[in-house]
Amino acid sequence: DADVTQTPRNRITKTGKRIMLECSQTKGHDRMYWYRQDPGLGLRLIYYSFDVKDINKGEISDGYSVSRQAQAKFSLSLESAIPNQTALYFCATSDSGTYEQYFGPGTRLTVT
Amino acid sequence: QKEVEQNSGPLSVPEGAIASLNCTYSDRGSQSFFWYRQYSGKSPELIMFIYSNGDKEDGRFTAQLNKASQYVSLLIRDSQPSDSATYLCAVAHYGNNRLAFGKGNQVVVIP
Repeated sequence: DADVTQTPRNRITKTGKRIMLECSQTKGHDRMYWYRQDPGLGLRLIYYSFDVKDINKGEISDGYSVSRQAQAKFSLSLESAIPNQTALYFCATSDSGTYEQYFGPGTRLTVT
Repeated sequence: QKEVEQNSGPLSVPEGAIASLNCTYSDRGSQSFFWYRQYSGKSPELIMFIYSNGDKEDGRFTAQLNKASQYVSLLIRDSQPSDSATYLCAVAHYGNNRLAFGKGNQVVVIP
């Protein structure tokens, strides 16, 4: 089984809809991250969490919110999706005290 | 100045040759450096990390770090078609508790 899983893997939604992307991990890592990747812009950090009670904004948090339901689960929500949120979204994890991050398979989100 | 820069365009190398990728970073206080490989449509995969000046070898991969010049590189020896991918350089910013990623370099290994 994969160490970091993301659901859904692909999603098409309409402008204005609320959508949630979920991430689960079995690596036992404390730290979890959400990134988006756009062609030509690279990976950009949306939110990160170092434990269940610690949530931090990244570079591009506007329009997004997160929830850390448990050590192993970290969800990303788009409250009202817009077309420029069309991107590939990745969840990643790392162990406390290290910066080696391990990525999930990604969610391809299209907002029409 | 961008935090992490990978300026080279797509790199085409013949099978069996050495592919050389370069990355510069702006924060002189950076301490940890990583190389990720990303196949098209897939997630980044950690292939190398280096913390000290000098070279670090792992199989066909060698990472080189020069903190004085703020420069980290990745060499892929005996390049194989399966090495065709985009390679992302990442740098740890301890003050921000996050990794900063470069935009990546595409490598194409020609059989």
